[in-house]
Amino acid sequence: GQQVQQSPASLVLQEGENAELQCNFSTSLNSMQWFYQRPGGSLVSLFYNPSGTKHSGRLTSTTVIKERRSSLHISSSQTTDSGTYLCALGPNSGGSNAKLTFGKGTKLSVKS
Amino acid sequence: AQTIHQWPVAEIKAVGSPLSLGCTIKGKSSPNLYWYWQATGGTLQQLFYSITVGQVESVVQLNLSASRPKDDQFILSTEKLLLSHSGFYLCAWSLLRQNYEQYFGPGTRLTVL
Repeated sequence: GQQVQQSPASLVLQEGENAELQCNFSTSLNSMQWFYQRPGGSLVSLFYNPSGTKHSGRLTSTTVIKERRSSLHISSSQTTDSGTYLCALGPNSGGSNAKLTFGKGTKLSVKS
Repeated sequence: AQTIHQWPVAEIKAVGSPLSLGCTIKGKSSPNLYWYWQATGGTLQQLFYSITVGQVESVVQLNLSASRPKDDQFILSTEKLLLSHSGFYLCAWSLLRQNYEQYFGPGTRLTVL
């Protein structure tokens, strides 16, 4: 089955530093989503990015299909960025189940 | 605009008791629906999916069942809860005719004692 590896597992930054979160997958890609998981568990969708680069404020997502990786870059980190970031790989073939396979997440802590 | 609502927000239940969790999607016609579960400290995994009313497919066996009684409603249930059912349950929807992007509800926190 599909395997999704996120790195690092945890990251501690000083406010203002940049963060680079990685997501590597073992099978061919059809879609990639990045989420922020709130402490209570709910998900905030950050990017739907099956290929290329997308920007949203201080966040940038880059997916390189042939290298089977996607990254999330956070620039000028703030304490409010602290939390868990999840990547999720979509199905690699046609079908009715758009099952997302999640990574274990990167726990980010930004200190002031 | 589409909205997704889950109920209850949280539940504390006894082992062996029944459970029913609900999910409603408004503003989208004939969405694909999904149930995901995350054990405390664990990885989110898909439990069920449904592409149409009355049809539900199981992805992971956890002694749970799901039903889709209406186009906009997805129910997760069991007659006998286990301690291992504790965790966070998320409902999601997508429109495969567009792309594979999924949209998640706020979730239900379940504690089984």
